[in-house]
This record gives sequence, structure tokens and C-alpha cells, in this order.
Amino acid sequence: GQNIDQPTEMTATEGAIVQINCTYQTSGFNGLFWYQQHAGEAPTFLSYNVLDGLEEKGRFSSFLSRSKGYSYLLLKELQMKDSASYLCAFMDSNYQLIWGAGTKLIIKP
Amino acid sequence: GAVVSQHPSRVICKSGTSVKIECRSLDFQATTMFWYRQFPKKSLMLMATSNEGSKATYEQGVEKDKFLINHASLTLSTLTVTSAHPEDSSFYICSTRVRDYEQYFGPGTRLTVT
Repeated sequence: GQNIDQPTEMTATEGAIVQINCTYQTSGFNGLFWYQQHAGEAPTFLSYNVLDGLEEKGRFSSFLSRSKGYSYLLLKELQMKDSASYLCAFMDSNYQLIWGAGTKLIIKP
Repeated sequence: GAVVSQHPSRVICKSGTSVKIECRSLDFQATTMFWYRQFPKKSLMLMATSNEGSKATYEQGVEKDKFLINHASLTLSTLTVTSAHPEDSSFYICSTRVRDYEQYFGPGTRLTVT
């Protein structure tokens, strides 16, 4: 079967670093995505990993281990505007996105 | 990336009425569009895949007679919620895929059925 799991909620302090983990199970895999979604808005694309390793893009980095079915999104130098939900999703063998429920990130001053 | 618009952004309707949501791909000819719904604090749920010039492909458990999808052109797909009920209240989002790994979402439509 297929499933994907991420924590429901996390809290971090402005200026700090936070890591949001995502684990998944699937027989067919075509990449792992991270999206940011502010309340009442549609998701916006953050990153895509299809090979193992770390992809860095400014303050945000995403890591993938295909053998472990594991990914994380690392946010550095947190800003208040980073308060949002972060959705991980993998693309299955049919190129369909399977979504996690999202991790609500709360940033405190 | 592709720009996707949705209209309306918010709609309130009475139970039993029908509501049409439009999804437009502004700068990309989208042969395929996706319709999602999202309940509060829940994951995006794919409802159907809309194919230009042919019938939509609905996910298991989604009533095709209730959620009518029309994709008449390469830039417009519509979702009509027929005989809406309060349980249909949700956030509806469309998206288009430019390449296998590039998917762009519309801003979403908040539907409230009273």
C-alpha cells in the first residue's frame, strides 16, 4: 500500500532552525515534494527531490533517503512569515501526487 | 512557472443549489487539470483529473454526477457542485502540471453551503 506521514504541528522560535520530517511507503516512486501553504491559500512549491541527498535553496533545504522512505525539510533563520503548514507529497508510479496531512509550523518571537 | 486562476475565491450558497467554479490556466495550455478538495487541517484529496476534450477521471468515492467537471478548452476547466449540501463545504483547489514534477495550484475556492 501507500502511505505518508508527517507531524501534525511543530513550534519554533524566530531566528532558529527547524526540521520537519516526512516518512512514506510506496512501491513506485517518482520524487518527493514539499509545499508551503498559508491558511486559506493554495499550496506553493518549495522543493523536489528525486535522488538521495540534500538540496539547498536559500533558507530552505530538503533531504531525501529513498532506501529509508524518509525526507525532511530544514528551515533556517526562521521568520514570522514562515508560519504556515508544510505539506510533503510523493509522486507514485502513475505520476500522481500522494499528500501528507501537513505540518502546521508555529513561529514564536 | 504556470499561472492558474480560480473564480470565485469565496462563495456562499444555500443548500440544494448548484455552484460552478472556474479554473483557468493563464499562460500554459493545460491538457490536464486536477481538482482537489481540502478539509480544515486535512490533506489535499484528489477528486478528479480533468482532460481537455474528454471525460474526467474521478477518484474512487467521488460522485461524478454530483461533481460535474467540464474541460472544454486548453485553458479552462470547470467544477460544478450540484445540489450542494453543508457537507460539501470545503476548500476546492485546481492545479495544472507543466512537467511531471512541476505542478501549479490555483488560489482555491472556499465554498460554504448554508
